Amino acid sequence: GAVVSQHPSRVICKSGTSVKIECRSLDFQATTMFWYRQFPKQSLMLMATSNEGSKATYEQGVEKDKFLINHASLTLSTLTVTSAHPEDSSFYICSAEGTGGTDTQYFGPGTRLTVL
Amino acid sequence: QKEVEQNSGPLSVPEGAIASLNCTYSDRVSQSFFWYRQYSGKSPELIMSIYSNGDKEDGRFTAQLNKASQYVSLLIRDSQPSDSATYLCAFPTGANSKLTFGKGITLSVRP
Repeated sequence: GAVVSQHPSRVICKSGTSVKIECRSLDFQATTMFWYRQFPKQSLMLMATSNEGSKATYEQGVEKDKFLINHASLTLSTLTVTSAHPEDSSFYICSAEGTGGTDTQYFGPGTRLTVL
Repeated sequence: QKEVEQNSGPLSVPEGAIASLNCTYSDRVSQSFFWYRQYSGKSPELIMSIYSNGDKEDGRFTAQLNKASQYVSLLIRDSQPSDSATYLCAFPTGANSKLTFGKGITLSVRP
């Protein structure tokens, strides 16, 4: 149980294009999902908290117009990196909060984005 | 600012030894604590959660929580080379169960 998937696992795009990443909870419903970014040899950085049916809450310094988050259902959240640039190249990871009120987060496998 | 500190690494132990990973936290209100393992190039994987003072054992892993001293530790018995990874401790902070992560400690198990 508590499986989270992400798609795509890897994407390479040209500078200026937009990239959409999907995060799905496969066997449970997730009211809350989280989006993280991790640069090589650095720790996880929370970008935003995504709540089903409402606007995402962004961490300080994260541009909401650049990183669009949509959480339209209890099993799907999407992150769109708009007008991507090479500095956006990173490992993007989502997580979903499990049921039962235990605050447990289950992570997806991550999406490695490379912007040329 | 709620913080998590992990003992400095990297940590290197021989195969078969006990690896001890420690984490201290600043938020006295936290009730849940988590240990995640992250292999290089992969996403974090939950390996232990603990909510009560004392020890919690799961196979070769034992989590220890001391709320009075505000530390949580992870012991890995009979360490294997496959345990070589970065270990992150985390606890929820703020609304919506947002987790605060430590910077992680890299464990290397020598064959």
